[in-house]
Amino acid sequence: GQQVMQIPQYQHVQEGEDFTTYCNSSTTLSNIQWYKQRPGGHPVFLIQLVKSGEVKKQKRLTFQFGEAKKNSSLHITATQTTDVGTYFCAGRRVGSQGNLIFGKGTKLSVKP
Amino acid sequence: EPEVTQTPSHQVTQMGQEVILRCVPISNHLYFYWYRQILGQKVEFLVSFYNNEISEKSEIFDDQFSVERPDGSNFTLKIRSTKLEDSAMYFCASSSTSGGAGGTQYFGPGTRLLVL
Repeated sequence: GQQVMQIPQYQHVQEGEDFTTYCNSSTTLSNIQWYKQRPGGHPVFLIQLVKSGEVKKQKRLTFQFGEAKKNSSLHITATQTTDVGTYFCAGRRVGSQGNLIFGKGTKLSVKP
Repeated sequence: EPEVTQTPSHQVTQMGQEVILRCVPISNHLYFYWYRQILGQKVEFLVSFYNNEISEKSEIFDDQFSVERPDGSNFTLKIRSTKLEDSAMYFCASSSTSGGAGGTQYFGPGTRLLVL
């Protein structure tokens, strides 16, 4: 079945360092969504990317969707302790009624 | 801001018992979903529901699972005979459309199910 691979599984950074997580799908996606989950919490929607090659920014967060609509990345500039959590990408395959296929997530820890 | 709510927040049950997890999606949303997350693992899709019928389901969603929209506001997930491996956090989500900008899925806080 279709899979969304996400790396790295864990990332430990010093506060102020940058962080990037990558997602790769085995098939073309209609769109990709990014979620953040704090420990003990639920996935909170961050952004949706729909167009090939799309780049969106939210303050220190930059999201990219690949030209082939098979890969995506989230980059955080100058991490802060409030960035701690697990970041999941979730892709929707072409023709799907909404089934999101989640990556395994990247757990980010930030040392002050 | 409108949000998805779920009850109960925690449920402990004996193996073989039936459980019903309840969700109230965002009021003007038309698409509803159930996902589960086994502790420490990724979120897994179970089922999507639109227009009073299942539109998609995963291989996890076998005959032991069913969903229902009993009235205009609630969306339920029933597990007929729980197994130990059903222990997980179950998330309900809703969206206004299935795709495009409205396809954003908003997740509820989850119900943590523990099967003993």
